[in-house]
Amino acid sequence: DSGVTQTPKHLITATGQRVTLRCSPRSGDLSVYWYQQSLDQGLQFLIQYYNGEERAKGNILERFSAQQFPDLHSELNLSSLELGDSALYFCASSVPGGGGAGYQETQYFGPGTRLLVL
Amino acid sequence: AQTVTQSQPEMSVQEAETVTLSCTYDTSENNYYLFWYKQPPSRQMILVIRQEAYKQQNATENRFSVNFQKAAKSFSLKISDSQLGDTAMYFCAFISGDNNDMRFGAGTRLTVKP
Repeated sequence: DSGVTQTPKHLITATGQRVTLRCSPRSGDLSVYWYQQSLDQGLQFLIQYYNGEERAKGNILERFSAQQFPDLHSELNLSSLELGDSALYFCASSVPGGGGAGYQETQYFGPGTRLLVL
Repeated sequence: AQTVTQSQPEMSVQEAETVTLSCTYDTSENNYYLFWYKQPPSRQMILVIRQEAYKQQNATENRFSVNFQKAAKSFSLKISDSQLGDTAMYFCAFISGDNNDMRFGAGTRLTVKP
């Protein structure tokens, strides 16, 4: 158990709908990362938040958005869902970088949310 | 852009034997970090090992060790005394020191046979 929690575990919805995925980082971690794992595109970085602020952006669609709240939990919002959005969505967290600029902490992944769009 | 290549889609090994999974990456940066993550059938992503590019010494974690060849941009994972519980997908990952966009390879599916 990594200490990162994600809810729900499974989500089934229809095209055109909107869903919200939730992530709680490990205790003390300030950074939250979101990833998408799909059959055709593999594992892709979507977005990172650090202490409530967006820090980095990857291949995140405009239909997707995220935020991190004062208690450090994060939500990933997926709207106007398409069949191709069906995937496993992971959240990961890491402690604040202790080595200064240019240092990367290890990311610890949650169990994921499996999204199926019908 | 950084890319990560795992050229072995599937591998198998007998229990108690040793197996090596290959990974190459492409980058022009000097400060970066490499990881191996394991994804068992539960789909959980589990950290196996981490290597800092500035360290010459190869990382080891119990039965897992890496062969990090910086000049060749190669980062292979050796699993010694393979166990049935090592059966999983293994992903090689790269992240720059200055860019938080972690890149993953396509994965190698490892099966440990009894």
